[in-house]
Parts: sequence; C-alpha cells; structure tokens
Amino acid sequence: DAGVTQSPTHLIKTRGQQVTLRCSPKSGHDTVSWYQQALGQGPQFIFQYYEEEERQRGNFPDRFSGHQFPNYSSELNVNALLLGDSALYLCASSLASAPRWYFGPGTRLTVL
Amino acid sequence: TQLLEQSPQFLSIQEGENLTVYCNSSSVFSSLQWYRQEPGEGPVLLVTVVTGGEVKKLKRLTFQFGDARKDSSLHITAAQPGDTGLYLCAGRSNTGKLIFGQGTTLQVKP
Repeated sequence: DAGVTQSPTHLIKTRGQQVTLRCSPKSGHDTVSWYQQALGQGPQFIFQYYEEEERQRGNFPDRFSGHQFPNYSSELNVNALLLGDSALYLCASSLASAPRWYFGPGTRLTVL
Repeated sequence: TQLLEQSPQFLSIQEGENLTVYCNSSSVFSSLQWYRQEPGEGPVLLVTVVTGGEVKKLKRLTFQFGDARKDSSLHITAAQPGDTGLYLCAGRSNTGKLIFGQGTTLQVKP
C-alpha cells in the first residue's frame, strides 16, 4: 500500500519564476492538504482540497494556488517566486470521513 | 487565531537521560497530536489525545493532555539516539485543519 508520494524531491528556482509541485495521496484517501515548513520550524497550513475544490485556506497570498484532480492527486503552484518561498512543501492526505493525516516526504524548494 | 507554543525549541542530552517537551496554547483544542519528523521525511503521527487529563504511553514516551485541553506534554524516559528528531505538537482547529507548534529539535548523544 503506497503512502503519500510527492514530486519532485528537490527543486531549485530563481526569483520571479513559477513552480508546480505534485502529490499523490495514500490509496483510498480523498482529501489533500498542503503545508509549508521553513527550516527548523513547524509546518504552516496553505490550503486543503476535497472533491476538487479548495475547502480551506491558510494565511498565504494568491501567488499560491492549487488543484485537485478526479483521481484525488493534487498540485501546488507558486507564481512570482520570492526568496522567502524557500522551504519544504509537505502534502498530507486523509479520508474525509476519518481525518487522520498521512504526510509525504516533501519537496525541498530553493529559490535563488 | 489559535496558536501553539512549544518549549524548549532545542534540546541536546546524553543517552539515558529523561526529558519533557511542552506544548501550550491559550485556546481550547478538540484534540492534540504529537508527530515526529526525521530529516528528509514528513511528520509521522505518534499519538492523538482527546480527553482532558488523558495520559497515553507509547513504550518510553508518555503523552499528557491538560485538563482544560489547552496544553500537552511529551515525556521521554531513558532517551536513546534513535529518539533524535523534530517533535511537533498539532491541534485540530474548529475548522478541522491542523495547527502546528514550531517544533522541538531533540538530539540524543550516545
């Protein structure tokens, strides 16, 4: 039973560029959340997707957007990258009816 | 805004010592979770506490939820190098999302 998978593992971008991160939820899960984790800090909630719609959003600017596909996989898009966007981006999945969250290994984004 | 404060932020101890990590909030949470995260990996759930005053044990780890459901603690007995990692507490907000503390980095030296 595959857990939550994320791609790519690492990514280096320059300021102003755009990036897309991908997440495949654990088998059977229908809800996906994205988190940003700065080095040595706790994860910060970005947004949550269920039934292909954004259901909740944290305190992040509109440069951060997402999508959920019919197969429950999800993408996180960040436009106009800033140096401060450098972080580990975590995807977590759960079943809406039984919300225990399983986290993926994350994508390490470095913005130069 | 619901916030969780963890202390200490860093802890470096010798193998065999005991330690306690604290997680405090001014808000009431319906439940609190503790996660452990190793470098290059996502957080892994250790335990969920739901009832005020609840105590749960996981081998050498003891978790407690405060009576008012605003704070929690994690106590490790006879720490081992394999306990090294980032420990995170997380509360479930009234909208269901997880709110994390800033984490406690634990280093256990052999």
